[in-house]
Amino acid sequence: QSLLTQPPSVSAAPGQTVTISCSGGSSNIENNFVSWYQQFPATAPRLLIYDNDKRPSEIPDRFSGSKSGASATLAITGLQTGDAADYFCGTWDATVSGGVFGGGTKLTVL
Amino acid sequence: EEQLVQSGAEVKKPTESLKISCKGHGYSFSNYWIAWVRQRPGKGLEWMGIIFPGDSDTKYSPSFEGQVTISADKSSTTVFLQWTSLQASDTAMYFCARSPTLYGGGYFDFWGQGTLVTVSA
Repeated sequence: QSLLTQPPSVSAAPGQTVTISCSGGSSNIENNFVSWYQQFPATAPRLLIYDNDKRPSEIPDRFSGSKSGASATLAITGLQTGDAADYFCGTWDATVSGGVFGGGTKLTVL
Repeated sequence: EEQLVQSGAEVKKPTESLKISCKGHGYSFSNYWIAWVRQRPGKGLEWMGIIFPGDSDTKYSPSFEGQVTISADKSSTTVFLQWTSLQASDTAMYFCARSPTLYGGGYFDFWGQGTLVTVSA
């Protein structure tokens, strides 16, 4: 059971906007930065968002992150079929004194 | 080019030992944290532990403390993950990942390609 809760799956049509939530608590999200990762089957994860809302230079601005209290959200606008992947949130947890990931969300682009 | 290159797939029997590696290229190896992340088949990511090669400061997740050992060799710019007695439940893909900082929790800006470990009698 992960300390960070994500919906198992989300879906949307090409061109639409989808949001993926990541819920935690005071020991993790509320007092630390959140990062987001994209993973295609049989490949390593890729960093999409760090420090809640910062984007590496190579990541399109269709991807954005936000945080409010003990929850974080990844938004993807102008969905493309190539965005179909698994998405994970991550942060630090003071209780376990280590990093934690959400359980992951499978995005289907209909 | 900055990259992490991991050792190849392994097939082992229960109770055998194993050490896999992650070699850093193209950046100042001693100045970045390197973590190990487990991903069991069809499952999510699990943070195992992290090491700062500059001084070998190491932190483990409580779920993995005592089960594995993380070490680093600055001279070869390589980080290792070691088991003394594998179990079938250790079957998974193992990724190493670089973190520029642990401040505020840190993040992983790039990842190794993964090492598949299969443990079967």
